[in-house]
Amino acid sequence: GAGVSQSPSNKVTEKGKDVELRCDPISGHTALYWYRQSLGQGLEFLIYFQGNSAPDKSGLPSDRFSAERTGGSVSTLTIQRTQQEDSAVYLCASSASRGTDTQYFGPGTRLTVL
Amino acid sequence: GNSVTQMEGPVTLSEEAFLTINCTYTATGYPSLFWYVQYPGEGLQLLLKATKADDKGSNKGFEATYRKETTSFHLEKGSVQVSDSAVYFCALSDKNSGGYQKVTFGTGTKLQVIP
Repeated sequence: GAGVSQSPSNKVTEKGKDVELRCDPISGHTALYWYRQSLGQGLEFLIYFQGNSAPDKSGLPSDRFSAERTGGSVSTLTIQRTQQEDSAVYLCASSASRGTDTQYFGPGTRLTVL
Repeated sequence: GNSVTQMEGPVTLSEEAFLTINCTYTATGYPSLFWYVQYPGEGLQLLLKATKADDKGSNKGFEATYRKETTSFHLEKGSVQVSDSAVYFCALSDKNSGGYQKVTFGTGTKLQVIP
């Protein structure tokens, strides 16, 4: 079956530009997570969506970061006015339900801000 | 808050050597523990997990035992192969106040196995 997909796989942008990263979770999965993986760092939690509940945005590093999830499925992570320190791999994961502990990860989007 | 500490890499081993990657955790509740693996160019995938004390997770020859007394979940494999070269992440999952499983990851340990 189809896994979690992300697009684009690579994105190079100039400082100050806005970028949008997309995540398609596994069909039927109600929970969706975004993480950031910087070089030499672990995974940094950014935001979590569960069904129609209000998202947990506690991991977003600044107000330049936002995310939405339409129709309980596809999610878009938007970074406004990108900075060089935003360069990282952005990973999306989904899980079957709120109480399920196993997450399934997409391949990630590598963002490079010049 | 919760945290995961794992040994720093990179770890370089010869094929058929014994592997141990140490992982310790701090958690306020009763977390589930995981090892995820990230092969070059791929996303993270679950390698094994354990949900309660003294449970042993195993997969593909890898094992890890949930040790509550030492708050550890060390990853072991008796004989590594070149194909095991990857980055390994230790993680814990605990229900937060909202009732969902929030996962905390370690920084990852890169393993390189040479023929």
